[in-house]
Amino acid sequence: GAVVSQHPSWVICKSGTSVKIECRSLDFQATTMFWYRQFPKQSLMLMATSNEGSKATYEQGVEKDKFLINHASLTLSTLTVTSAHPEDSSFYICSAPGRLAYGYTFGSGTRLTVV
Amino acid sequence: AQTVTQSQPEMSVQEAETVTLSCTYDTSESDYYLFWYKQPPSRQMILVIRQEAYKQQNATENRFSVNFQKAAKSFSLKISDSQLGDAAMYFCAYIGGGGSQGNLIFGKGTKLSVKP
Repeated sequence: GAVVSQHPSWVICKSGTSVKIECRSLDFQATTMFWYRQFPKQSLMLMATSNEGSKATYEQGVEKDKFLINHASLTLSTLTVTSAHPEDSSFYICSAPGRLAYGYTFGSGTRLTVV
Repeated sequence: AQTVTQSQPEMSVQEAETVTLSCTYDTSESDYYLFWYKQPPSRQMILVIRQEAYKQQNATENRFSVNFQKAAKSFSLKISDSQLGDAAMYFCAYIGGGGSQGNLIFGKGTKLSVKP
């Protein structure tokens, strides 16, 4: 089945620094990647949709300049949290549409802690 | 806009017993897919079961089955012979446009606890 590899699994960074999260589709081409944010005990909140070769589409209320998304190739999408602040601490998950028989494929998530 | 509602924030079941998790949704579309995802403490999202709206037969995957009531826009998940490993957050999700439209729309989730 389709696999999305997400790295890092967890990261701790200092306030003001930037952090890059990568999602790679290992055995299929992901022309689209969805990026979610999940707070503790809450559901997944869609942040943005990235499409290979074009600009990402951001959901209302999501700061485009803080959460930079790049979909450089058919197998790689990245989310960069710029000038991170403690309130950016959260769990970030990527997901790519695969065959609907398997539902969408999710990365394993990244726990970001900003100190 | 489509919405997914899970009215049970938490549920509990005794090991080996059966539990049903509720999900309702709102849509004007006729062609869509519904899913149940499991998120264990590892937080990896795992597909449990899926249902195509055009199929009248309820989907079944081993101990997991759904009760899909299209007219009532209801999509409940039944877990039979509950096991300790079933303890997790369960999310109901919807995608419209015959599965071709964008992202999954999630409910708020139900936390399932399994008592030994």
